[in-house]
Amino acid sequence: GNSVTQMEGPVTLSEEAFLTINCTYTATGYPSLFWYVQYPGEGLQLLLKATKADDKGSNKGFEATYRKETTSFHLEKGSVQVSDSAVYFCALSDPTGTASKLTFGTGTRLQVTL
Amino acid sequence: GAGVSQTPSNKVTEKGKYVELRCDPISGHTALYWYRQSLGQGPEFLIYFQGTGAADDSGLPNDRFFAVRPEGSVSTLKIQRTERGDSAVYLCASSSNGLMNEQYFGPGTRLTVT
Repeated sequence: GNSVTQMEGPVTLSEEAFLTINCTYTATGYPSLFWYVQYPGEGLQLLLKATKADDKGSNKGFEATYRKETTSFHLEKGSVQVSDSAVYFCALSDPTGTASKLTFGTGTRLQVTL
Repeated sequence: GAGVSQTPSNKVTEKGKYVELRCDPISGHTALYWYRQSLGQGPEFLIYFQGTGAADDSGLPNDRFFAVRPEGSVSTLKIQRTERGDSAVYLCASSSNGLMNEQYFGPGTRLTVT
């Protein structure tokens, strides 16, 4: 079945540091890939997405590139801020059905300090 | 405009009791999803509605779980004979047509079974 594996947290960084959160996936076919973010006390929000190989999703300074050859979708940001502290979830959509249901990783908590 | 809303935000119930969790999707969204998020895990798919019908209920863990969407808008997730293992945050999401469109998540209902 489909699965998503992402690096365990928490990840603790100083402000302005470079961020990488690794994500790899297993799926039949060609899924779409997503990063969702959950800020403290808030619901899940879509951060960025990529729908085919070599696509780069980007938003709010975050980027991720769909790498089919390595089945990866790593999240990066060049300079994190305290306000980026949140839990980040990598997810894929089922490419074999019509439901577009999402399969999520376990989440990675990011803590950014001054 | 209004986002996805869920009620109640918190529900505490005793083992063996029946509970109902409500989801109000974004107006006009035809696709509605239920997910369950256990502590320290990513959300897991439960069921997907397209309009009034359950198009995919493959994620429901057993026959104690049931969901309805009688008028194609509001949905209710029903859990019979609750067990302590049902304790989790239940998330609802909606999208405009379910076909690779962004899913908008509600804040969730935290269910605790004592």
